[in-house]
Amino acid sequence: QKEVEQNSGPLSVPEGAIASLNCTYSDRGSQSFFWYRQYSGKSPELIMSIYSNGDKEDGRFTAQLNKASQYVSLLIRDSQPSDSATYLCAGDFSGGYNKLIFGAGTRLAVHP
Amino acid sequence: EADIYQTPRYLVIGTGKKITLECSQTMGHDKMYWYQQDPGMELHLIHYSYGVNSTEKGDLSSESTVSRIRTEHFPLTLESARPSHTSQYLCASRLQGANTEAFFGQGTRLTVV
Repeated sequence: QKEVEQNSGPLSVPEGAIASLNCTYSDRGSQSFFWYRQYSGKSPELIMSIYSNGDKEDGRFTAQLNKASQYVSLLIRDSQPSDSATYLCAGDFSGGYNKLIFGAGTRLAVHP
Repeated sequence: EADIYQTPRYLVIGTGKKITLECSQTMGHDKMYWYQQDPGMELHLIHYSYGVNSTEKGDLSSESTVSRIRTEHFPLTLESARPSHTSQYLCASRLQGANTEAFFGQGTRLTVV
C-alpha cells in the first residue's frame, strides 16, 4: 500500500464551480499534511498545510483533515482556468524523521 | 518567497560523465530533500538530510549520492551518468521540527545522451 494515495484524474470542473480533491494516507501516526500545486514543467508550490482535525481556510482554498479516517481533502471555491494544474498531497512519515512523501497527484482541469 | 536555488536549470551530458547537481538555500533550514520526477509522473523521494553530516536514502532506489557538509548546501552526484538517469531533479528544504512547510527549488532537468 502506498503511503499517500490520490486519484490521478483528470478532474474536470466548470469555471466558478467547487473543485474537490481527495487524498488518503496509510500511517496513522502521521501528523502533518500539505497540498501543493504543480504546473506542467514547473516545481511544486505550497498551497496549504494542515496539522489538526477539521477545516482550515485560506482565501478560495479549504483544507480538511480527518485523522480517524486517514483522509485529507482540498476544496477550491470559484474555480478559475488558472487553477488548472496537478495538485499534490504530501504527508510526513517515519515518526520524527519527517520523511516527506507525495501522492501521485490529481490533475484538475477548469474549463470556461 | 523561498530562497532555494538549484543549478544548473538544464543539463545535457554524455553517457559515463560524472555530474553534480547543486542545491543551496539561505533560510537556515536543517532538513533538505531530493526528489526525482519524470514528465507527468509522481515525485519520488531519493535522498534526504536532517542536518550537517546526516543523509538518508529515500523510497526510490537511486545510483546517485549526496553529501551535507554545510547546512545551506546539499549537492547530488552521479558518478557515471546513463540515459536512464534522464529526469527532473527537485530539491526542497524545511525547518527542523514537526509541522513545518517545505519549499522547492526550480529544479534541474537532466538529459543523458
